[in-house]
Amino acid sequence: DTGVSQDPRHKITKRGQNVTFRCDPISEHNRLYWYRQTLGQGPEFLTYFQNEAQLEKSRLLSDRFSAERPKGSFSTLEIQRTEQGDSAMYLCASSLPGGSYEQYFGPGTRLTVT
Amino acid sequence: TQLLEQSPQFLSIQEGENLTVYCNSSSVFSSLQWYRQEPGEGPVLLVTVVTGGEVKKLKRLTFQFGDARKDSSLHITAAQPGDTGLYLCAGDRTGNQFYFGTGTSLTVIP
Repeated sequence: DTGVSQDPRHKITKRGQNVTFRCDPISEHNRLYWYRQTLGQGPEFLTYFQNEAQLEKSRLLSDRFSAERPKGSFSTLEIQRTEQGDSAMYLCASSLPGGSYEQYFGPGTRLTVT
Repeated sequence: TQLLEQSPQFLSIQEGENLTVYCNSSSVFSSLQWYRQEPGEGPVLLVTVVTGGEVKKLKRLTFQFGDARKDSSLHITAAQPGDTGLYLCAGDRTGNQFYFGTGTSLTVIP
C-alpha cells in the first residue's frame, strides 16, 4: 500500500497525559499537513510542512501541540497535558508541490481523552 | 467563522434521485477540491477545479467552479446507496493552508 499511513488508528488516554501520533506520507510527496476533525465538522488546519520546514501553523495549535518532520519524510504530532477538548480525529495529508496541491489523506488517528 | 459554507448540511434521498450540494464563500480561491469521507476514515479526493467556470464530470458526479472562484457545486445524477457519505469542499488560497467546508452528510436510501 503506497498511501498515507497513520499510527495509531485509535488512542485512549487520560487527561494530563502526553500522546504522540505518527504520519507516513506518500514517498514522493514533500508537503505534509495535519488537521483536526471533530464529529460533524470539516477538518480544521493545524500545520503544514514543506520537506522538514514547518511553514505554517494555525492559531488552533496551542503551546501544548508540537509537530516535527525531522528528515522530511514521516511526521509526528505530540500533544502534551491532554485535555478533554483535544478529543478528535487527527488527520494527516500529503501532496506534491506545485499545481493544485491535491491532498491525499491518511485514515486518521482517533483520540479520546477521558 | 467558517470560510466555506456548505448546504444543505444533511440530505436524505431515495435511490435514483438527483441532488446538488453547494459550497459558498466570500473569498476567492486559487483551487477548490471535493472529498468524500466515510465514518472512521480520512477524506478521499474526488476532484480538483482550478479555473473559474470550470466543469468536471466523474461518472454520475458533475463539479462546477464558480466564475469568480468563490463557490462550487456538486451534482449527483441517479444517486446510489454507495454515494452515501460526508461530502466536503476545501479551498486553497496559497497552497499552504486549505480551508474545509462544514460538510454535507448524504444518505441514499435503497
